[in-house]
Amino acid sequence: QKEVEQDPGPLSVPEGAIVSLNCTYSNSAFQYFMWYRQYSRKGPELLMYTYSSGNKEDGRFTAQVDKSSKYISLFIRDSQPSDSATYLCATRGTSYGKLTFGQGTILTVHP
Amino acid sequence: GAVVSQHPSRVICKSGTSVKIECRSLDFQATTMFWYRQFPKKSLMLMATSNEGSKATYEQGVEKDKFLINHASLTLSTLTVTSAHPEDSSFYICSARDQGGVTDTQYFGPGTRLTVL
Repeated sequence: QKEVEQDPGPLSVPEGAIVSLNCTYSNSAFQYFMWYRQYSRKGPELLMYTYSSGNKEDGRFTAQVDKSSKYISLFIRDSQPSDSATYLCATRGTSYGKLTFGQGTILTVHP
Repeated sequence: GAVVSQHPSRVICKSGTSVKIECRSLDFQATTMFWYRQFPKKSLMLMATSNEGSKATYEQGVEKDKFLINHASLTLSTLTVTSAHPEDSSFYICSARDQGGVTDTQYFGPGTRLTVL
């Protein structure tokens, strides 16, 4: 079993839809949770960074962490074609170490 | 802030030659940088952790003599692919750890696409 599981999709939605992206993890030591967006042939870009359980909102993006169920989510409101990319969840423990990534979900928002 | 650059963005070389890729943190100092490899439609595969002033730590299965890493300053790490072969063709991405801001996480470079003929 992988430490972080993420459905690779692909996920295709119409413009304006609410997108829900999810990951589950198995290591209870993970305390920090990140979402990265990666456009084709580019490096990942940090979208959201959260610590422990709770919600964090930034514009059209909301990151949600539920440590009791080891479940992390990213919601995108009013999705745009420019949101079409691969979204990677990532986690790490309290003492700094390497990030553990999910497989990435390929998202396409069509006009 | 938190900008990481990589050079070159794309390189094509002949089999048997060596290729050097540079990773720079432009607006922060990074004692730790990471090198990843990514295959098409796959997630990132960590190759090694680069620490300023000390030897890199390689992940299991990564040949340290083939992938030479040097982290000579707080803003620069280099990855040299020695005696490259077609199977080394891939997308190589570096990241740098930023401890100075609100977050303590990794910021990624734009990647280098290596094609070995």
